[in-house]
Amino acid sequence: GAVVSQHPSRVICKSGTSVKIECRSLDFQATTMFWYRQFPKQSLMLMATSNEGSKATYEQGVEKDKFLINHASLTLSTLTVTSAHPEDSSFYICSVGRGRETQYFGPGTRLLVL
Amino acid sequence: DAKTTQPNSMESNEEEPVHLPCNHSTISGTDYIHWYRQLPSQGPEYVIHGLTSNVNNRMASLAIAEDRKSSTLILHRATLRDAAVYYCILRDNWGTGNQFYFGTGTSLTVIP
Repeated sequence: GAVVSQHPSRVICKSGTSVKIECRSLDFQATTMFWYRQFPKQSLMLMATSNEGSKATYEQGVEKDKFLINHASLTLSTLTVTSAHPEDSSFYICSVGRGRETQYFGPGTRLLVL
Repeated sequence: DAKTTQPNSMESNEEEPVHLPCNHSTISGTDYIHWYRQLPSQGPEYVIHGLTSNVNNRMASLAIAEDRKSSTLILHRATLRDAAVYYCILRDNWGTGNQFYFGTGTSLTVIP
């Protein structure tokens, strides 16, 4: 399977600031990358799907202007949480996919907004 | 995507086999059955997937009912490292997207 990394692994920021999370596919050309959010004791919730070189498709209820996704290459996608607030504190996880293959997940990024 | 139903939690003794069930009565003919597991504070880890036939790999076996309305993930000898939340997910391999929609999963506790 693919090896996926995320950076940073955890971040603490002040309310109102923006935070960028990177997702890298180390050994896999990912035509599609996915971003999920997971609150404590809950399941993963898909936020958006991004295909390399095109705009991300957001799930219903996810604000595209707040969660900016860039998928500039086959190995890198970034999620920027703009003007973060305490309710955005969560565990953010990316995954990579290619065609009909299964998905491979990153280790996650823990975001705490004070 | 079709919905899956799993028990909220299960327990197993260490070194015994574990059978984790998943019901997917509305599965379509092109839905693949994927299993992932998630340890605390980590991303999900791929376990196994299949379409119709039973599948085996080094981690587990997947038994798929003949009518495909249910499946069972089999861990042959549970270890303490197998304690995790196990998710059964359906994905239509012929659909327009490759999205996974996670259900609530089964939290497996392994008793030493």
